[in-house]
Amino acid sequence: DADVTQTPRNRITKTGKRIMLECSQTKGHDRMYWYRQDPGLGLRLIYYSFDVKDINKGEISDGYSVSRQAQAKFSLSLESAIPNQTALYFCATSDSFLTSGGKSSYNEQFFGPGTRLTVL
Amino acid sequence: GENVEQHPSTLSVQEGDSAVIKCTYSDSASNYFPWYKQELGKGPQLIIDIRSNVGEKKDQRIAVTLNKTAKHFSLHITETQPEDSAVYFCAASRGYYGGATNKLIFGTGTLLAVQP
Repeated sequence: DADVTQTPRNRITKTGKRIMLECSQTKGHDRMYWYRQDPGLGLRLIYYSFDVKDINKGEISDGYSVSRQAQAKFSLSLESAIPNQTALYFCATSDSFLTSGGKSSYNEQFFGPGTRLTVL
Repeated sequence: GENVEQHPSTLSVQEGDSAVIKCTYSDSASNYFPWYKQELGKGPQLIIDIRSNVGEKKDQRIAVTLNKTAKHFSLHITETQPEDSAVYFCAASRGYYGGATNKLIFGTGTLLAVQP
């Protein structure tokens, strides 16, 4: 979906290097997510953000950090890359709506095209 | 923790046949069950979803069924076509009702190959 873009699309790096993956969206959504996809393991949530001031860890956040620079931008960093971080990384967005209990998410998540990261 | 099991991991069918993919979830509080299709080189895209207050939903050749008691849900594709070839992911979430975090727990994926 061209509304969610990821850069770079492919990256090969070496163990110990710092890597940043970037995600931008033009959908106007306030919620953004980073997932990792490995063969046979599906997609696993790394971090998610409900607005610029709200960052939350997912199920596999160790070794990763994120930055929400603006509503439209959400970056994922690997401070010191290791080979088992070789994977396909996806950014996703979703919209929210107001309820009597506060903000809640529309359920559909819109995914970017992915970044294939190889750590040698 | 929360878990979604998906079977089979690969499925090969002849064009025109039906395909069925099954998922089982562990979190009884899950109330939203989407299915995503991932084509080669692309990100997953939602194709159909079902909420816990519904037992079945259809959209043209695609249908999803939900058995809350057994914590099972399935994707059914009829009259398969070569363009249906892709990886399909099921997911479960608590996220439909107000205040919830909408975290999706994904299954491990099914590679569907439709042979012409």
